[in-house]
Amino acid sequence: DTAVSQTPKYLVTQMGNDKSIKCEQNLGHDTMYWYKQDSKKFLKIMFSYNNKELIINETVPNRFSPKSPDKAHLNLHINSLELGDSAVYFCASSQNSRGLDGYTFGSGTRLTVV
Amino acid sequence: GDSVTQMEGPVTLSEEAFLTINCTYTATGYPSLFWYVQYPGEGLQLLLKATKADDKGSNKGFEATYRKETTSFHLEKGSVQVSDSAVYFCALSGTGGYQKVTFGTGTKLQVIP
Repeated sequence: DTAVSQTPKYLVTQMGNDKSIKCEQNLGHDTMYWYKQDSKKFLKIMFSYNNKELIINETVPNRFSPKSPDKAHLNLHINSLELGDSAVYFCASSQNSRGLDGYTFGSGTRLTVV
Repeated sequence: GDSVTQMEGPVTLSEEAFLTINCTYTATGYPSLFWYVQYPGEGLQLLLKATKADDKGSNKGFEATYRKETTSFHLEKGSVQVSDSAVYFCALSGTGGYQKVTFGTGTKLQVIP
C-alpha cells in the first residue's frame, strides 16, 4: 500500500487550461502539504492543512487553490495554467503540524505546461 | 526567519570513498534537524533526524550530529556506494505552534564505480 499517493504522475497541458492534482494518505496523519520543486531541485512550500484546516498559505498566485475534503485527502486545483507553473509538485504528510517525526512524501506530479 | 545552507553540488566520489555534505542552519530556539534523500524520479524520503543538541541521527550507514555550538548538522558516510547517488536535502523544523519544515537547496551526490 502506498502511504502517500498522488495522481496523476505526469500532466502535460496547454497554457490557459485548468487542472487538478489529487493526493491521498493512508497513514492516519493529521497534516498534509503541497510543495513545488523547480528544475534546480529547490523545494518551496505552498500550502499546509491540519485536520482540514488551512494553516500555511505561502505567497502563491491565487490561481492555485487547495482543497481538503477530509484529513486523508488534499487536492490542488490550478486555474489558467502558465508556462512558469511547470514543475514537480509533491504532496506530503506528517503526524502533526510540528512535523517532528518527519514528512512522508508522495512520488510527485510532473506538470508540463506547453 | 529560519534558513538552511548546504554545500553546493554536485559532489562526485568514487565508490567506497568517505562522504561529507555540510549543512548549517539559522533558527531561533532549538529546532529539529533532518536529512532527506531524493532518488531520481522519486519523492523525498526521510533519511535521519535529530531533535536536540548532541543527538546523533543514523540510518543506512549515514550519520549526522546536531551541533548547536556551530549550528551544523553535517551528513557523513564512511564508504559510499553507487546506489547512494541521489540528491540530499538538509532541513529543519522550528519551535512553536504550526511550523513548516525549511529545506536546504539540496546537494547532488554522484558515486562512480
